[in-house]
Amino acid sequence: ETGVTQTPRHLVMGMTNKKSLKCEQHLGHNAMYWYKQSAKKPLELMFVYSLEERVENNSVPSRFSPECPNSSHLFLHLHTLQPEDSALYLCASSQDTGGSLEKLFFGSGTQLSVL
Amino acid sequence: ELKVEQNPLFLSMQEGKNYTIYCNYSTTSDRLYWYRQDPGKSLESLFVLLSNGAVKQEGRLMASLDTKARLSTLHITAAVHDLSATYFCAVGRGLGGSQGNLIFGKGTKLSVKP
Repeated sequence: ETGVTQTPRHLVMGMTNKKSLKCEQHLGHNAMYWYKQSAKKPLELMFVYSLEERVENNSVPSRFSPECPNSSHLFLHLHTLQPEDSALYLCASSQDTGGSLEKLFFGSGTQLSVL
Repeated sequence: ELKVEQNPLFLSMQEGKNYTIYCNYSTTSDRLYWYRQDPGKSLESLFVLLSNGAVKQEGRLMASLDTKARLSTLHITAAVHDLSATYFCAVGRGLGGSQGNLIFGKGTKLSVKP
């Protein structure tokens, strides 16, 4: 158990649905991240939040909308997704952004299938 | 643009054997990480390498970094079945930046057979 909890573990949705992924960390960390892990592709950073402010958005389509209401919670709101968005979505946290000594702690991920 | 290449992508080895996984990256960086992922589970941090010549060891795994060659190796000694997993290297983009700017390799899927 890494201290980072993601729900749901699995999600199947149609292209017209709206759903949200939730991430919660119990580590007292200041930074949280969303990564996308697709088959046969490297992990891709989607969003970075530091102290509840977005500090990086790696050109992610607007059908993915992050929300960070406080430093312990991170959401990824999904709407009108495409089948190619099917992937494992991983949440991670670190003590802070900046500095080389911070480890990323990953959640178990949400396996998303878009039909 | 920073690119990270791991090889091999798939590795099947017998218990008791030694092997090395390689991680090459294309531009200057001051930090490199190795992670392990078991099927259906989180990525777990294994090693953080921050300087040229850095070597870290834990159990049967040893990681090293050569920043001049832009190469890190993960050496497995006397493999056991419990080491079966996918191993990722990740390189920090730029110098002194946030860890959120990690670029990951595609991973090496290791299978250790009796």
